[in-house]
This record gives sequence, structure tokens and C-alpha cells, in this order.
Amino acid sequence: ETGVTQTPRHLVMGMTNKKSLKCEQHLGHNAMYWYKQSAKKPLELMFVYNFKEQTENNSVPSRFSPECPNSSHLFLHLHTLQPEDSALYLCASSQGGSGGTYQETQYFGPGTRLLVL
Amino acid sequence: QKEVEQNSGPLSVPEGAIASLNCTYSDRVSQSFFWYRQYSGKSPELIMSIYSNGDKEDGRFTAQLNKASQYVSLLIRDSQPSDSATYLCAVNGGSGNTGKLIFGQGTTLQVKP
Repeated sequence: ETGVTQTPRHLVMGMTNKKSLKCEQHLGHNAMYWYKQSAKKPLELMFVYNFKEQTENNSVPSRFSPECPNSSHLFLHLHTLQPEDSALYLCASSQGGSGGTYQETQYFGPGTRLLVL
Repeated sequence: QKEVEQNSGPLSVPEGAIASLNCTYSDRVSQSFFWYRQYSGKSPELIMSIYSNGDKEDGRFTAQLNKASQYVSLLIRDSQPSDSATYLCAVNGGSGNTGKLIFGQGTTLQVKP
């Protein structure tokens, strides 16, 4: 496997279900990200992890719970979602580290298309 | 509220023409700018990054940055039907390596054979 992989690629869940999205990066990066892409809206940053530590939570509802056990893996645990949470969820990674003048390039996985019924 | 603005399009150009995609941003301290291409049903893939004022060329693509005007553009020369996609402009939120990218809504480009 190369690059950034995500599973599952498609997910349909009811509002009372609990599910998890998985992301794995094979690039040797140390920073990982979750984004949400809804129809007709810009990509929205949800969470940022840098060396396994969460450094950004963009006011995301608690029904989304991220987990980063190591620099290569990132999970998004979902519970009691709403229909408006239906979207494409994208994982990305970058080199990672603190400081620096310029923003690092982020590389995206293929995404998980989520439908909440 | 930091914003990145793009015309959603669609921008339609004939094959072989130059496609010009524009983006404006609100945060004056932003230092890093990216163009991603997203085909329908796929994830964004990086085309260009630019950090300094002026032009940066990579093959048929040229990114142009004007920090004074808070404006970044992407030119695609000799447009091909395979260039038909949505082009996303992304700007770092704040200065430095913040990890925060702010995306525009994207411009849909249609290249007609």
C-alpha cells in the first residue's frame, strides 16, 4: 500500500449506530488530519494530530470522536449521528512537526462516503 | 472569519486554450498557498504550492501569487479534456506551519474537445 488509505470507502449507518472510520498513511508522516466535505460546501478541517497529540479541534460536535494511536493511524469514531452529517470524510497527512515558516503540503486519502439515515 | 473565495463556475474553455482560475483570501498573514485538483467522486490531489510573490511554473501549470492584493491564481496552458475537474484553492490559516488549511469552494473547469 502506498500513500494514504481509508476504510471503509462507503458507509451507511442509522442514527443510533456506532461505527469507526480508519485512516492509515504509508508516507512516514507525523501529522494527520480529518476533513469533512459536504455537497456545495468547502472542505472543512475537523481535527489535527501532530505526533499523536491533538492540536486542533475545529468546534466539532462530540458525536465525532477522533483517536490517533500512532503517527501512521487515525480513527474517527461515530455515534448518534444526524442526517446532516452525511458527507465525504477525508483523511490527510503531512510531514509534521512544529514551527516553520510555511505550511506543509497535505496529502489526501480517497475518503469515506458516509450516509446517515 | 478567515475566508477563501473562488468563483464556483463552471468555467468552460475549448481544448488547447488557457484556463485561468482565480482565488482571493482574507487573512493577510497567510504565507502558504496550494492548488488541488479534485475529479468527481475522488479526493483532492496536489497540483502546485506557492509561497512567494510572482509566478511558479510546473509543466502546463503556472501559479501566480500577489500577497499585496491577497490573490492567487492558476493558469493551465493547452487545456485538455482530462483537465476537467474542480480546482480547490487552499490557504494556510495564520502564519507558519499551523496545520490549518482553509479551502475555497472550488471552481469547476470544463474543457470541451
